[in-house]
Amino acid sequence: EAQVTQNPRYLITVTGKKLTVTCSQNMNHEYMSWYRQDPGLGLRQIYYSMNVEVTDKGDVPEGYKVSRKEKRNFPLILESPSPNQTSLYFCASSAAFNSYNEQFFGPGTRLTVL
Amino acid sequence: KNQVEQSPQSLIILEGKNCTLQCNYTVSPFSNLRWYKQDTGRGPVSLTIMTFSENTKSNGRYTATLDADTKQSSLHITASQLSDSASYICVVSMNTGFQKLVFGTGTRLLVSP
Repeated sequence: EAQVTQNPRYLITVTGKKLTVTCSQNMNHEYMSWYRQDPGLGLRQIYYSMNVEVTDKGDVPEGYKVSRKEKRNFPLILESPSPNQTSLYFCASSAAFNSYNEQFFGPGTRLTVL
Repeated sequence: KNQVEQSPQSLIILEGKNCTLQCNYTVSPFSNLRWYKQDTGRGPVSLTIMTFSENTKSNGRYTATLDADTKQSSLHITASQLSDSASYICVVSMNTGFQKLVFGTGTRLLVSP
């Protein structure tokens, strides 16, 4: 089944404890992206990657890191999480990076930072 | 400023009834507009995509319209079902040569039996 998977789905952690949220897609997509979704706000892009070893900042990159060493994986790293990073996170992928390609979203990771 | 505004914020309708959700945007340069359905606890799933030249597009009981002159779109749901309960997100893609999306905050629809 073609899909985007994320792990973990739920995570409660404490301020300053490094964490990684994994994202993997099995559709051989070139483009991958991370978003966060907060109440009353639309999805906001954190980072995106147009291909392996090519990443760039989105609209809200502060406090996050990403890497794209393989085509299928795009982990999101929070080196020192803070409470304002409590949010619902979505990974997405699309076949290419042009604007007509549909983005397929993962199931989401709900992160709580205490 | 590139923005997408949706109305209403939330809506409750009886099963079997129709409803229409609205989306106004001020995104430029415009490439296309998608409506996504997001079930609780799930990621968004695309329902329709509309480009500048398209007025109407249907996907089963979902019909989207686009007026590029007034920068408005609507999503009409016919004969609603309980499974239509979800958030519906309007997303406008900018014509920048690569994926730059502007998301609305969504309309939360509850279909009541």
